[in-house]
Formats: sequence, C-alpha cells, structure tokens
Amino acid sequence: KQEVTQIPAALSVPEGENLVLNCSFTDSAIYNLQWFRQDPGKGLTSLLLIQSSQREQTSGRLNASLDKSSGRSTLYIAASQPGDSATYLCAVYQGAQKLVFGQGTRLTINP
Amino acid sequence: NAGVTQTPKFQVLKTGQSMTLQCAQDMNHEYMSWYRQDPGMGLRLIHYSVGAGITDQGEVPNGYNVSRSTTEDFPLRLLSAAPSQTSVYFCASSPLVGSGNTIYFGEGSWLTVV
Repeated sequence: KQEVTQIPAALSVPEGENLVLNCSFTDSAIYNLQWFRQDPGKGLTSLLLIQSSQREQTSGRLNASLDKSSGRSTLYIAASQPGDSATYLCAVYQGAQKLVFGQGTRLTINP
Repeated sequence: NAGVTQTPKFQVLKTGQSMTLQCAQDMNHEYMSWYRQDPGMGLRLIHYSVGAGITDQGEVPNGYNVSRSTTEDFPLRLLSAAPSQTSVYFCASSPLVGSGNTIYFGEGSWLTVV
C-alpha cells in the first residue's frame, strides 16, 4: 500500500528565507506527483504537477523536484512571503485516477 | 466559470440520519471524486467516477454511496450517519487525472455527526 509522508509537519520561518518542504513515498511505481496549497477553511489549489517522466517543474518562486528511484519529492520556495503561509500537501497518483496524499506541512512565514 | 461547487458548506447530523452532499462542476470534466480530510490523516479517497454511469470505490468507501447520472453532478450519500463520519469532505474534478491536467477541488463541506 502506498504511503506518503511529509516532514516536517509544521515549519515557521522569517520572511525572505528560502525553504524546502519534503515528501517521501513508499512505492516508486507512481504515475505523477502533485503539490497543493490549502488555506484554512478552503479547498486545495494545485501548485505544481510533475509527470512521471519529468524531474522537476517550476512556477514563479516555486520549484518541485521528483526522484522516483529514491521515493522523494521536494518543494522549494524562494524568498518566502507572509502570503505563502498555508498548508502544503503532496500527493502521488496511484494509477491514473487515485491520489494518495501526505498529511501536509503547515507553513508559517513571519513578517 | 464556477468550477467545482459543493453544498452544503456546513451540516450537523444526528447519528442514524441520512443526507446527501452535492457536488457540481461546469467544466465538462469526465473524472470526479470525493475525499475526506481528517486531522493527521491527510485526504483519503472515498469514491470516484470516470464518466456518467461509471463509479468505483476508493480507499474508504464504507458508509457512503455515489451515483453519476450526468457529467456535471456527483452526489455523495450518507445512508445512516455515524460519528466516525465527522470530517471535511472535498469533491474534485479533472478532464483526465494523471494526463498532465490540473485537478480542481471544491471548497469543502464540514460535516459533524452527533
């Protein structure tokens, strides 16, 4: 059974820092991997989708990498801002239709 | 473009009552799904559908029923609510999950069973 783990569960950093969020998964036979952002009381917003044949994706200050052989993905946030405060969720596609989520990392950026 | 719309946003049920969580999307997506989110557990897949008339079970289907009579709607039914079903429920849709298309989530439905 696929298990997805995100470490740390919570992270608090001062504004302006670069930071890395980690995601690991137990079964390397994944289809794709996706990072989401969730604000309190809201749904999930897709940040980056990495297809299985790709190693990384970039969008603005965000960069996500994927290493299937080691079962790891990282989300790099450059020059963090208070508006980046949210919970970040990693999810792997187990087959084409099923997402398996990690528990999330709650990120707080302090002004 | 409304995206994925869930109703109600908040609901309190008594044990044994039934109810339906509604989900509608206006993007003509084939794929729709329901997840529940519990503290410390992440989101877990309840049921999903790859098109009208086609549904399948996810990781935690017990206690829930679904149907997909139209492309737009994918309601989730709780036949006899239990306190263990207290959770936040999210509906999602996508043109085709895993093909590089973004999946869209609704705002969530907060359900409390007392």
